[in-house]
Amino acid sequence: GENVEQHPSTLSVQEGDSAVIKCTYSDSASNYFPWYKQELGKRPQLIIDIRSNVGEKKDQRIAVTLNKTAKHFSLHITETQPEDSAVYFCAPRNTGKLIFGQGTTLQVKP
Amino acid sequence: EAGVAQSPRYKIIEKRQSVAFWCNPISGHATLYWYQQILGQGPKLLIQFQNNGVVDDSQLPKDRFSAERLKGVDSTLKIQPAKLEDSAVYLCASSGKRETIEPLHFGNGTRLTVT
Repeated sequence: GENVEQHPSTLSVQEGDSAVIKCTYSDSASNYFPWYKQELGKRPQLIIDIRSNVGEKKDQRIAVTLNKTAKHFSLHITETQPEDSAVYFCAPRNTGKLIFGQGTTLQVKP
Repeated sequence: EAGVAQSPRYKIIEKRQSVAFWCNPISGHATLYWYQQILGQGPKLLIQFQNNGVVDDSQLPKDRFSAERLKGVDSTLKIQPAKLEDSAVYLCASSGKRETIEPLHFGNGTRLTVT
């Protein structure tokens, strides 16, 4: 079955610094690559996604890059703010099923 | 647009008891998912419906878990009998169409504690 791994599992940065989280997947047929943000006690919410015909997508301070050959995609957050503190999940999708990674806890220190 | 509705928000039961969760997806969404999220882990897919048919239930512990989606709208997930390891948040999500790639919209979840 699909194997999804995120690195690092925890990440601590100073406010204003950048943060990068990498997601590696095993299924080469995966064709949709979203990132979800989950604040403590709340539901996961989509923050950005990319499809397999695109290599990079940016939305203000957030960007996602995709390397299909190497089977990984990354979340980039620039100018981090305390409200970016949360758990981030990648969830590569194939044939309608999203397989979530184990999550990366991002802490942004003011 | 109204989001995915789930109830109850919290439930505490003793092991070997039964429990049921309810989900109402976003209006018009054909695909409905139930995920189990154990503390500190990512959501794990239990079952996926397309309209009222099951698309994937490969990770559903069928000896104790059951789910249905009558009329292709609301869904219920049942656990009978519950075990301690079933303590988790049960998330319902929906999306528009299986044929197109659309994001999942999650409900607020039901936090289950089995004592």
